[in-house]
Amino acid sequence: DQQVKQNSPSLSVQEGRISILNCDYTNSMFDYFLWYKKYPAEGPTFLISISSIKDKNEDGRFTVFLNKSAKHLSLHIVPSQPGDSAVYFCAASGGKTSYDKVIFGPGTSLSVIP
Amino acid sequence: NAGVTQTPKFQVLKTGQSMTLQCAQDMNHEYMSWYRQDPGMGLRLIHYSVGAGITDQGEVPNGYNVSRSTTEDFPLRLLSAAPSQTSVYFCASSVGQNSPLHFGNGTRLTVT
Repeated sequence: DQQVKQNSPSLSVQEGRISILNCDYTNSMFDYFLWYKKYPAEGPTFLISISSIKDKNEDGRFTVFLNKSAKHLSLHIVPSQPGDSAVYFCAASGGKTSYDKVIFGPGTSLSVIP
Repeated sequence: NAGVTQTPKFQVLKTGQSMTLQCAQDMNHEYMSWYRQDPGMGLRLIHYSVGAGITDQGEVPNGYNVSRSTTEDFPLRLLSAAPSQTSVYFCASSVGQNSPLHFGNGTRLTVT
């Protein structure tokens, strides 16, 4: 039973437009959420995070939104660039019994078309 | 400062063989973990450690052993490899709770 879900395996966006990647979670004890980006043959790299006490965090072209009541978060990339083409993983952690475990979703492959 | 270093990069094993995947970090991070990446499954947590001498199971621990005798090293042992363990393995470390993970570049393991 996946605790972190990314229901879109892939997404294609034109360069300069907005990319929106979605993530849903089932464990209400999660209180910290992260997005990672992964290029082929490399390890994932940290992109942006958000704590459950916030509903938005922004870093340059990247913004993460958190809707706790819906157990949903999204990553917005504006404007999208060809170098953003990668697999994006949503991850979550938190809760008394699982705060040390960081659980990842299955990933969304983003293609930004020039 | 090398970050997280994994060796080897590639490995082919026969069913039943054993091997150890090495992971070392030079950032003095207390938290270390092992993930496997499979198509459509994302990254699944195998084992993790919150400090030297302390390890715990993740989502998919069966078939794998770990130990943490030093802060720097966190090896992953396959005692009797099975084809189901064919995967890409990533080691990661972080300062601690609610801190981003730093990943190595992975070990691609094939078990025939």
